[in-house]
Amino acid sequence: DGGITQSPKYLFRKEGQNVTLSCEQNLNHDAMYWYRQDPGQGLRLIYYSQIVNDFQKGDIAEGYSVSREKKESFPLTVTSAQKNPTAFYLCASSQTGVNYGYTFGSGTRLTVV
Amino acid sequence: QKEVEQDPGPLSVPEGAIVSLNCTYSNSAFQYFMWYRQYSRKGPELLMYTYSSGNKEDGRFTAQVDKSSKYISLFIRDSQPSDSATYLCAMSQGAQKLVFGQGTRLTINP
Repeated sequence: DGGITQSPKYLFRKEGQNVTLSCEQNLNHDAMYWYRQDPGQGLRLIYYSQIVNDFQKGDIAEGYSVSREKKESFPLTVTSAQKNPTAFYLCASSQTGVNYGYTFGSGTRLTVV
Repeated sequence: QKEVEQDPGPLSVPEGAIVSLNCTYSNSAFQYFMWYRQYSRKGPELLMYTYSSGNKEDGRFTAQVDKSSKYISLFIRDSQPSDSATYLCAMSQGAQKLVFGQGTRLTINP
């Protein structure tokens, strides 16, 4: 079955550490997105990529970094510069050129300990 | 002012009630309108998809778009406890990025 896989489901980070969240899709989608969701808030866009080796900042990119070396993969690194990283992180993908909506992964819950 | 406004709720109704969820938007160029359902600690899943104005029905769910008023709605008939979730509206202009509402948390009480 085609879909998006996010791992791990739960992640704990110590203060000052960088952590990387994985996102893999086998839908043959060109575009991929990272969102952050905090309790009672909507989705906030961190980064997006519409093609391999290219990506753009979203609304809240500070303290985060991404890479897009393969079409299937769009990992997100939460750096120590992100002062409030505890949140639910969602990865999504979509086709480009048409609009059939996004397919989301099941999310990664990141907690700073 | 946000491009898309959605009442975050929470909304609590008895089982069997008709539920109405709504979003308003400011960008008249939006053409694609969607509703996503998100269960707790899960990713959102696409529930309804509408292009331009009009109604779309799928089982107990009806999506309405009124472009003249810049207003979209999702109706749930004969609501069930399994409908308890957060519902997010989303919309876009052409093949542009989706703009999401804040989400409405809905609880259906048995």
